[in-house]
Parts: sequence; C-alpha cells; structure tokens
Amino acid sequence: KQEVTQIPAALSVPEGENLVLNCSFTDSAIYNLQWFRQDPGKGLTSLLLIQSSQREQTSGRLNASLDKSSGRSTLYIAASQPGDSATYLCAVSSSGTYKYIFGTGTRLKVLA
Amino acid sequence: NAGVTQTPKFQVLKTGQSMTLQCAQDMNHNSMYWYRQDPGMGLRLIYYSASEGTTDKGEVPNGYNVSRLNKREFSLRLESAAPSQTSVYFCASSDERENYEQYFGPGTRLTVT
Repeated sequence: KQEVTQIPAALSVPEGENLVLNCSFTDSAIYNLQWFRQDPGKGLTSLLLIQSSQREQTSGRLNASLDKSSGRSTLYIAASQPGDSATYLCAVSSSGTYKYIFGTGTRLKVLA
Repeated sequence: NAGVTQTPKFQVLKTGQSMTLQCAQDMNHNSMYWYRQDPGMGLRLIYYSASEGTTDKGEVPNGYNVSRLNKREFSLRLESAAPSQTSVYFCASSDERENYEQYFGPGTRLTVT
C-alpha cells in the first residue's frame, strides 16, 4: 500500500532564503506526482505535476524533482517571499490507477 | 471557466440528518473525486469516478454514497450524518488528456453536532 510522508511538518524561514520541501513515497511504481499549495481555509492549487518518465518540472521560482528509485521528490522554492507562506502538499498516483495518495503537508511560514 | 465548483460552502447538521454535497466541473474531465480533509490526517479519498457511469470506493467510503449524474456533476450523499463526519470535503477532477493533473474545488466545511 502506497504511503506518502512529508517532513518536516512545519518550517519557518526568513524572507529571501532558498528552501527545499521533501516528499517520500513507499512504492516506486507511480504514474505521476503532484505538488499543491493550500492557503488557510481554501482549496488546493496545483503547482507542478511530474510524470513518472520525468525527472523535474519548473514553474517560475519553483522546481520539483522526482527520483523514483529512492522514492523521493523535492520542491525547491527560490528566493522565498512572505506570500509563499502556505501548506504544501504532495500527492502520488500509482501506476494503473486514477487514485492519489496525499502526504499530510508541510506548513511553511516565510518571515518578512 | 469556473473550474470545479462545490455547494454549499458551509453546512451544520444534527446527528442522523442527511444531505447531499454537490460538485460540478466545466473542464470536460472524465475523472472526478471526493476527498475529506481532517487535521493531522491529510486528504483521504472517499469515492472516485473514473468516467461517467462508473464509481469506485476510495480509502474511507463508509457512511457515504455517490452519484455521477453526468460528465459534469458528481455528488456525495451522507444518509445519516455522524459527528465523525465533521470535516472539510473537497471535490476534484482530472483527465487523461492532461496527464491526470488534479484540479480542486473550494471545499465544503461540514459540522455534525
């Protein structure tokens, strides 16, 4: 059974710092991995989708990498800003299914 | 494009009452999902529909029923609400043409007293 873990659960950094959020999964037979952002009381906003055949995806200051063999993905945020403060979730879909398993998220606070 | 819409935004029920949460998407997606989000538990899949006319159980289906009314709409029904069903409910959709990238609605905050 696929399990997805995100460590740390919470993180505070000063503005301008580059940071890395981690996502680990137990079954490497994945179809794709998706990173989301969730602001308090809001829905989830898709940030990046990485297909199993890809190693990384980039959007603006965000870069997500995927290493299936080690069961890990990282989300790199460059030059963090207070507006980046949110909870970041990763979700993994296993090969042959439409279902996603979510991690419990990392709550990020960027201090001005 | 409204994306994924959900109604209602908030609901309070008494134990034993029933209600239906509505979800609609205008992106012509084949797959739709219902999740619940609880503190410390993350998002858990309740039911999903791979395509119009099909539904399947997720991780936590007990106490819920779903209907895929047409390609656009996917509803979630609580027949006899229990306090354990107090949660935030999210609907999502995806499609093979977009590599199953999921798009979420704004959520329904449900309290059962």
